[in-house]
Order: sequence, then structure tokens, then C-alpha cells
Amino acid sequence: DAKTTQPNSMESNEEEPVHLPCNHSTISGTDYIHWYRQLPSQGPEYVIHGLTSNVNNRMASLAIAEDRKSSTLILHRATLRDAAVYYCILRPTRFRDDKIIFGKGTRLHILP
Amino acid sequence: DAMVIQNPRYQVTQFGKPVTLSCSQTLNHNVMYWYQQKSSQAPKLLFHYYDKDFNNEADTPDNFQSRRPNTSFCFLDIRSPGLGDAAMYLCATSTRQALSNQPQHFGDGTRLSIL
Repeated sequence: DAKTTQPNSMESNEEEPVHLPCNHSTISGTDYIHWYRQLPSQGPEYVIHGLTSNVNNRMASLAIAEDRKSSTLILHRATLRDAAVYYCILRPTRFRDDKIIFGKGTRLHILP
Repeated sequence: DAMVIQNPRYQVTQFGKPVTLSCSQTLNHNVMYWYQQKSSQAPKLLFHYYDKDFNNEADTPDNFQSRRPNTSFCFLDIRSPGLGDAAMYLCATSTRQALSNQPQHFGDGTRLSIL
């Protein structure tokens, strides 16, 4: 399965936008790009996913490069509650293959 | 309201004493997963059920078993816990439709300690 590469940690100031990068140079044409985050002492939480086009939802935006070899999760206005580990994951669309393989993720620190 | 519920949140057992962790869901999802997450590491998939079909990961130790008596419940049994099995155990669910990509919904985990 294709792998993802993320920075180990990032810092951002409260109320500023945050751009979390992810590289996935070996992505296949049918892999979806998913983002999850894990707040302290909680299970992971789905954030957003996309295939080719940029996506927006109430939590974040996902910008996908034209060649799909990288993507960026955008938090438009970070709050202290957004401090978490963010995981970028590739999910294939093979029928009955529902596994999520977590990489190491990016630990996001928010500075007040 | 919690949709994936794991009980208990904290479990303590003795070295070698069997322990069972439970997970229930109100989402009526057909796929259920168990993950192990050790301190400062990413969650690691142990196995999953697609309906009643059990799918074990190749590197999941035989010490770990699972049962899914119905759609709503799934159990993780650790037959003889060792000190290395101390971890957070996460349950997740998803609904699988052909060629779709549905997100997984996670519970808040059970933290298992081994004495």
C-alpha cells in the first residue's frame, strides 16, 4: 500500500490559518486521501477526504495537488481545541478492503 | 450521543489473566475494527469484521482474539496478557458500500494496564 510522509510536528498561533502538508508520491489512481485527527485521550476523528478535487467541510479544507502526489489540510482559523495529532492516510477503493493504516502523523501545537 | 461506545474506559488486569474489552455501536455499520495504540505511537490495526467475516492482520499475535455476536457488539479477548500488551485499544466502525469510501467512526478507547 502507498505510504504518506508528514512532518513530525508543527506549531501555529491561535486564530491563524494552519497548513498541514502530506506527501504521497506513490499514490495510485484509485486511492482516496483521508485525514483524521486525534485529540488527547480520545479516539481518532474523521476530518475530511478527497480523490482529485479540493474539498471543503465545516472542519477544514483539503487541497490536492494536480498530480495527486501531495495534499494539504487547511484549518482556516486554528483554536486551542485543534491541538492534536493529524494523520494523512491513503485508502484504496478495492471492494471489501476497508483498512486504514495510520502513519506517524503530525503533532500540531497551537500557541495562545 | 456517543455512537461507538467502549467499556470500560480503563481496565486493569494481572499478567496472564484473560481480559475482555467490549465495543458497541448505534450506527448499524457492517464493519467493525480493533486497533492497538501504544504510548506515543499511531494506532495499529489488529483485525476487522466485515459483517460476520473475520479478517486478521498478518502480524496480530495469536494471543488476541475477537468475537462479534451481532451487528452492534464486538469483543476483544486477550488470552494471556503480557506487559507488552499494555496499551489503548480502539474500536471503530464504518459502513461499506461498493467502491465508496466511508469514514471510520472511533470510540474513545479502553486503556489497558497490566500488573
